[in-house]
Amino acid sequence: SQKIEQNSEALNIQEGKTATLTCNYTNYSPAYLQWYRQDPGRGPVFLLLIRENEKEKRKERLKVTFDTTLKQSLFHITASQPADSATYLCALDISTGRRALTFGSGTRLQVQP
Amino acid sequence: DTAVSQTPKYLVTQMGNDKSIKCEQNLGHDTMYWYKQDSKKFLKIMFSYNNKELIINETVPNRFSPKSPDKAHLNLHINSLELGDSAVYFCASSQGTQPQHFGDGTRLSIL
Repeated sequence: SQKIEQNSEALNIQEGKTATLTCNYTNYSPAYLQWYRQDPGRGPVFLLLIRENEKEKRKERLKVTFDTTLKQSLFHITASQPADSATYLCALDISTGRRALTFGSGTRLQVQP
Repeated sequence: DTAVSQTPKYLVTQMGNDKSIKCEQNLGHDTMYWYKQDSKKFLKIMFSYNNKELIINETVPNRFSPKSPDKAHLNLHINSLELGDSAVYFCASSQGTQPQHFGDGTRLSIL
């Protein structure tokens, strides 16, 4: 069955460092992969989408890579700030185009000042 | 100018009761969804509607019934609530395969 795994449940880093989060998936070849941010008591908020033919995507301090051979996406936050502390979720559409997302369990990032 | 709004934000009720959660989106999107986030924070799709037509109905007890009166609304009705229904329910919307916009969730607690 399809599995989406995010490598760590929690990640603590110092302010100013680069945070790297990992998303691995099996048994599927998605056309695209998405990353969302979720704050406590709030719904997920879309951050970035990367397509299968794109190796890398950037948005301000965020960078996403997508390796379809390794079936892995890496999500980087450079020059991290305490305000970046949140849970980050990767998501795939494995519903053969019916648009329902399957989410990983998330990585809770804590950036220490 | 809330994009996806859900009501109520909190719902505390007794086992066996019937309850509804409402969702409205003002983004003009053609697809709406219901997700369930359990205590372990896994977010799982329950239903999706495209232009008022049900397109996904995952393995969900038939006590759960979505209703879409129009493209901007997707309500979730739950009959005979059970303890295991306690979770946070999220509504979302999208236009085509564009990224989804989520509401802030309804926290359902069954006593």
